[in-house]
Amino acid sequence: EDKVVQSPLSLVVHEGDTVTLNCSYEVTNFRSLLWYKQEKKAPTFLFMLTSSGIEKKSGRLSSILDKKELFSILNITATQTGDSAIYLCASSEGGSEKLVFGKGTKLTVNP
Amino acid sequence: DGGITQSPKYLFRKEGQNVTLSCEQNLNHDAMYWYRQDPGQGLRLIYYSQIVNDFQKGDIAEGYSVSREKKESFPLTVTSAQKNPTAFYLCASSKNWETQYFGPGTRLLVL
Repeated sequence: EDKVVQSPLSLVVHEGDTVTLNCSYEVTNFRSLLWYKQEKKAPTFLFMLTSSGIEKKSGRLSSILDKKELFSILNITATQTGDSAIYLCASSEGGSEKLVFGKGTKLTVNP
Repeated sequence: DGGITQSPKYLFRKEGQNVTLSCEQNLNHDAMYWYRQDPGQGLRLIYYSQIVNDFQKGDIAEGYSVSREKKESFPLTVTSAQKNPTAFYLCASSKNWETQYFGPGTRLLVL
């Protein structure tokens, strides 16, 4: 069965800290890995990674995929209280438009 | 404005009652999805549709039904057979093989 596992499940940090969120996947016929940020309602798209070793970056957020070891990390530098959210990782498989989601990492950034 | 809308924001269901959640998109996306989110569970796929008049069961379809009569619309009915319907329901859409974008969600509560 396809599986996406995120760790840690929750994390509390102080403003200015750097955090690394982990996502490992076992998906048949892997095609891409996606990261979403969910605050109160709809998850919003952050990154999609399809090639190994390539870093995607947007401001203080960056993500990298390791297709050999089957994992991805999401890095947030100089965290702010507005980064507090649930971060979801999802993997897609070739031949399907389905995404398999992990349980999410709940990040709390305290002032 | 382009986007995905869901209604209502909150929905109350009495025992034995069927209720329908609305999802509309004007992004011209071919594929649409319904997810259920419970605390600590991540997103679980209920149904998805890749084209009008066609849909497939996801991982937790029991007690739910859908229709896809128009490209823009993908309503979800929570039937009385769904014994534990209290959850946050998210609708998403995507162009083929691309990122899924989410609506704001409907929170369903049982009276």
